[in-house]
Amino acid sequence: GAGVSQSPRYKVAKRGQDVALRCDPISGHVSLFWYQQALGQGPEFLTYFQNEAQLDKSGLPSDRFFAERPEGSVSTLKIQRTQQEDSAVYLCASSLPRAGAFFGQGTRLTVV
Amino acid sequence: SQQGEEDPQALSIQEGENATMNCSYKTSINNLQWYRQNSGRGLVHLILIRSNEREKHSGRLRVTLDTSKKSSSLLITASRAADTASYFCATDDKGAQKLVFGQGTRLTINP
Repeated sequence: GAGVSQSPRYKVAKRGQDVALRCDPISGHVSLFWYQQALGQGPEFLTYFQNEAQLDKSGLPSDRFFAERPEGSVSTLKIQRTQQEDSAVYLCASSLPRAGAFFGQGTRLTVV
Repeated sequence: SQQGEEDPQALSIQEGENATMNCSYKTSINNLQWYRQNSGRGLVHLILIRSNEREKHSGRLRVTLDTSKKSSSLLITASRAADTASYFCATDDKGAQKLVFGQGTRLTINP
C-alpha cells in the first residue's frame, strides 16, 4: 500500500482481556517503530525493529506488552491482561535509515 | 519519558499571520524532525534538519536549529485555516533510531 496501515482503528477491550494490534509498514522500510500516545501528550516510544530483529524494547511499560515482526514486514503489538491505564492511541511508524518516519493512523484502545 | 519541550503549549493566531513554535531538547542529536498531527489522525512528517545544518526551508515552513542551545524553531508563514493542528518536534536521542517527542504545540488558525 501507499502508506502505513494499522488495524483495527478502534478497539474496546474489557479489563483483563488480551488484544493484538497490527501494523503493515510501507514496503521496503527496514525500520518499524511502535509508540503510545496518551490524550494531549506526545507519542512515547515503545519498541523498534530493524527488519525482523527487535533492537530496542526499552519503552515497553511492562511484561504484559509484547511485539513481534517475524518476517521483517508486518508487526503485531500484543497486550496481555489489559488494564485501564493501557487506554491510549498506539501508533506504528516505518522508515528508511536516517530518514523521516511515516506514521499510520493509529489504533485507539479503550479498556473498560 | 519525553525529552523535548515545545513552547508555547498552545498558540492561536489569525489566518495570514506567521506562527512560530519552539522546541528544546536535552541530549546530543544527529537530527531533529518536526511533525504535524491533525485531531484524531496519525503524525505527518514535515521536515528533518541535521545537526550540521542551521536552517532549512520547505514551502511555507522554515526550521532553524541551534545545537549550542539545544533548541529549534518552526516558522509557518502566511498561515491558513488548514494549518490548524498539533506540531511536535522529535529528536533521535543520541543517535539512536528511536524518536523522542515533545509534548507538542497546539496551533489554531482563526479564519
